[in-house]
Amino acid sequence: GESVGLHLPTLSVQEGDNSIINCAYSNSASDYFIWYKQESGKGPQFIIDIRSNMDKRQGQRVTVLLNKTVKHLSLQIAATQPGDSAVYFCAERRIQGAQKLVFGQGTRLTINP
Amino acid sequence: NAGVTQTPKFQVLKTGQSMTLQCAQDMNHNSMYWYRQDPGMGLRLIYYSASEGTTDKGEVPNGYNVSRLNKREFSLRLESAAPSQTSVYFCASSEYWAQYFGPGTRLLVL
Repeated sequence: GESVGLHLPTLSVQEGDNSIINCAYSNSASDYFIWYKQESGKGPQFIIDIRSNMDKRQGQRVTVLLNKTVKHLSLQIAATQPGDSAVYFCAERRIQGAQKLVFGQGTRLTINP
Repeated sequence: NAGVTQTPKFQVLKTGQSMTLQCAQDMNHNSMYWYRQDPGMGLRLIYYSASEGTTDKGEVPNGYNVSRLNKREFSLRLESAAPSQTSVYFCASSEYWAQYFGPGTRLLVL
């Protein structure tokens, strides 16, 4: 069935390097995507979102890229810091006008000093 | 603003007991949601409320009921808890598309 998935369940990077977290989706009708960060013992925290009419959106140290041709979403974190250690989820809105989001299972990002 | 708040933070129940999880938001959002999070399963939608006075089932509604008490509050009730309902429960709210989450309730059913 259709699902929001992630290429890697874990990602380990050196402090100061850039991190890239990937997400694949299968529903070509999805029109909105969002990235969340979840630290241990806490609720998911909104990072950045992007609509399907955009290819790229930048925030503070984060960039989301959307490739609709291959149904791929990525989150880039610049100059990764220890505080970036968390599980990162992507989510999609599959039906235009709907309020429900479908979440992927998450990628754990660990930072090596 | 406190955002989304949830009570209690932790709860242990025996099989068959009932309880209500409380959620409140102070962002004046119309929509509210209840999710459960299990290891390896991601976030799964239990119920949601698109606006005050309406509720709809999500992906995993069996064994749960909800009440949208007013625009601020959305409660989740377990009438007869089962071990399979051991999980972390998150409440969220939204005005448009981005959902904002509370800190979660960790529930253990023995």
